[in-house]
Parts: sequence; structure tokens; C-alpha cells
Amino acid sequence: GAVVSQHPSWVICKSGTSVKIECRSLDFQATTMFWYRQFPKQSLMLMATSNEGSKATYEQGVEKDKFLINHASLTLSTLTVTSAHPEDSSFYICSARDLRAGGPNGELFFGEGSRLTVL
Amino acid sequence: QKEVEQNSGPLSVPEGAIASLNCTYSDRGSQSFFWYRQYSGKSPELIMSIYSNGDKEDGRFTAQLNKASQYVSLLIRDSQPSDSATYLCAVTGGGNKLTFGTGTQLKVEL
Repeated sequence: GAVVSQHPSWVICKSGTSVKIECRSLDFQATTMFWYRQFPKQSLMLMATSNEGSKATYEQGVEKDKFLINHASLTLSTLTVTSAHPEDSSFYICSARDLRAGGPNGELFFGEGSRLTVL
Repeated sequence: QKEVEQNSGPLSVPEGAIASLNCTYSDRGSQSFFWYRQYSGKSPELIMSIYSNGDKEDGRFTAQLNKASQYVSLLIRDSQPSDSATYLCAVTGGGNKLTFGTGTQLKVEL
């Protein structure tokens, strides 16, 4: 399947600092990427849809000013957690849709995930 | 009603047996259906996709889709301990958004 790379895989930061997570589609171009958050023993919750060249679309309840998303190219989207606090500690996972894959909407492939711990 | 529902489990099966995982969804307009496997601490990995009614087989995995009944299932034949993981059902509905179920934890016992 398609390859999506995410970096860093884990990060520990102090409360109040900002953290940037990168998501890259390595072998295909993705006009749309998705950012999910997963707390322990819970399912993935979509945070926002990242659109290349335009503003991200945020899900209800997700703070736009806290979770900054930039999708500057067809292969890179970034998520910046601003002024992180301990409650932001979670597993953040990006994904990209490969339209070359089967089905009417392509297939979604995930990055390796980034585990954020805010002290 | 949740958009995508799964039994959280854990579902325990002996090694070599068939594991049957089920999922129901609420949006009748859903077009694409996926099964992901997620090991603890890792991101989901796509196992199967299915788009039309019936069965789709890939190795030890068979996905079954019944749009009239709004359910999709995953069968794992000859279950192995390495199959122990959480299996996430995901459905693409209106707006091209992928919605995940809460996942079913599968334990394959020796």
C-alpha cells in the first residue's frame, strides 16, 4: 500500500510549549490529509481535514487556534499543538487518501503516529 | 446511535480457529468499508477494503458486506497469536469522511 510517514514518533515537552508534527505522503500526492487523535483504549477521533493550499476543516469541538494545520504542498501536512498542556497528551495520527487505490473514494493510509507527552 | 458500532470485546479464540468480527453502520449512503488492524501503541494498518455486497477474500481474511442490513464483517481463518490486536471497522459516508468504530479487541490463545 501507499506510504505515509510521520515525524516525530514521540515527543515530550513542557507545558506551555508548542510542538510540530509532520506528515508526509512518500509515494503519492495527497490533496487531502487527515489528523486524528487517540486516547488510551479509545478509537480514533478525527480532529481536522487538511486541504492542500487552503484552510483546514476542523471537527466540532476542536480548537482551531490551538491545533494549527498547514498543508503547504501535495506531500506534506503539519500539525502544531500550541501552548500544549498535559490534557493534550495523546497519540496523534495522520493519514492520507490514495485515490489510486480501489474504490470510489480511494483508500486511507496512516502514518506511524506521534505520541505526545506534555509534562 | 453511534455511526459505526462494534462489540468492544475482548473476543477470545483458540489458535487455528475462525475469528468473526462484526460491525454495523447507520448511514445507508455509505460507499466504502474498511477493516484496520491496530496493535497496541501503533497506528492502524489497512487489512481489507470492500465496496460491493458479498464476500471478498484475501489470504486468511474475508470481508463480508450486506448493505441492506447495514453490516460488514471480517473473518480471520486459521487464527494466529500474531492476529491478536484491535480491529477497527471504518466506513466512508457522506462528505467523504471516514468514520471509525471503537474497535474489537481480538485475543488468539495458544
